[in-house]
Amino acid sequence: AQKVTQAQTEISVVEKEDVTLDCVYETRDTTYYLFWYKQPPSGELVFLIRRNSFDEQNEISGRYSWNFQKSTSSFNFTITASQVVDSAVYFCALSEASSGYSTLTFGKGTMLLVSP
Amino acid sequence: DAGVIQSPRHEVTEMGQEVTLRCKPISGHDYLFWYRQTMMRGLELLIYFNNNVPIDDSGMPEDRFSAKMPNASFSTLKIQPSEPRDSAVYFCASRASGTGFTEAFFGQGTRLTVV
Repeated sequence: AQKVTQAQTEISVVEKEDVTLDCVYETRDTTYYLFWYKQPPSGELVFLIRRNSFDEQNEISGRYSWNFQKSTSSFNFTITASQVVDSAVYFCALSEASSGYSTLTFGKGTMLLVSP
Repeated sequence: DAGVIQSPRHEVTEMGQEVTLRCKPISGHDYLFWYRQTMMRGLELLIYFNNNVPIDDSGMPEDRFSAKMPNASFSTLKIQPSEPRDSAVYFCASRASGTGFTEAFFGQGTRLTVV
């Protein structure tokens, strides 16, 4: 079974639209970390955010916001007023205490295409 | 800091040839990871090191793959002999241990094409 599921393979929006990328995870650990990474067309993986399992506060960073809900095992990512530069593949990832937080398990990614 | 540095950025080789991918982690980071990215399987962990010691190589696909970390500032991933199905982007990442959890930083990847 997949530990991190990103059900949306590809999303297309027009600039200035808001868009939410979904992430559902599965773990038996009570302590874990969740992450979002961005992979722009240039190919590198860019860290966006880390959230630990004890902190369910939503976070906002500019146009980016994250909604963590343990009750539904979800860690969704919203981009407000999307821009063409947001076009990328976005990965959600999980790191568990049972692995010593040593490794990241990634979802398959969601490709976001923002058109002008 | 220059970040995680991988070389080469692109590699095209013929089936059967040996391929060596290189990685320089961020100075002071004591964890190093090798990931492989393909369309079919996404991002998969191949192997990781802690303080230059391989800790988990269960993701290494087969004996044709080997990885070494001779010192804290250098690691290699070798494929011998290479096969077309090894074509993928290979990422190296590093992170620091310490109090709390620190995120991993990734290199720009090496795009390997085996023809």
